[in-house]
Amino acid sequence: GDSVTQMEGPVTLSEEAFLTINCTYTATGYPSLFWYVQYPGEGLQLLLKATKADDKGSNKGFEATYRKETTSFHLEKGSVQVSDSAVYFCALTGANSKLTFGKGITLSVRP
Amino acid sequence: EAGVAQSPRYKIIEKRQSVAFWCNPISGHATLYWYQQILGQGPKLLIQFQNNGVVDDSQLPKDRFSAERLKGVDSTLKIQPAKLEDSAVYLCASSLDSGRYNEQFFGPGTRLTVL
Repeated sequence: GDSVTQMEGPVTLSEEAFLTINCTYTATGYPSLFWYVQYPGEGLQLLLKATKADDKGSNKGFEATYRKETTSFHLEKGSVQVSDSAVYFCALTGANSKLTFGKGITLSVRP
Repeated sequence: EAGVAQSPRYKIIEKRQSVAFWCNPISGHATLYWYQQILGQGPKLLIQFQNNGVVDDSQLPKDRFSAERLKGVDSTLKIQPAKLEDSAVYLCASSLDSGRYNEQFFGPGTRLTVL
């Protein structure tokens, strides 16, 4: 079945550092790929998405590119802020339209 | 636009007791989902409704969990009797429709602790 693998966490960075969170997936066909974010005390929010190969999703300075050849959707940001501290989930919807999540990774940004 | 509402936000019960969670989706959203999120894991789909009909309940432990969506709007998820391993955050989400490109909007969740 479909699955999503995220790098192990947690991740701690200083403000203005470069961020990469790795995500790889297994799915049949051509899944849609997502990054969700969960800020402390809040619900899951869609951060960005990509629906076909080579698409780049972007939002709030975050970017991720749908790489079919490496089955990856790594999240990047050039300069993180304290307010980016949250839990980040990579996810996909496959042929059955079911949303499958990775385990999530906690990001802490120090001032 | 109001988001997905859930209540209660927190619940502590003893094993073998029963508990119910309530969800009010975004107005006009036909599809409603219940997820279970165990600490350290990503959310796992328990059940999906399209209007008031069940689309997918393959991951719902039907011997103890039940859910309904009367009139195709609000939904309740019940656990009876609860086990220790049911301790988790229960998330409700809704989307306009069930297609793979429809964004799911999540509520804040109900954190359940079973002692």
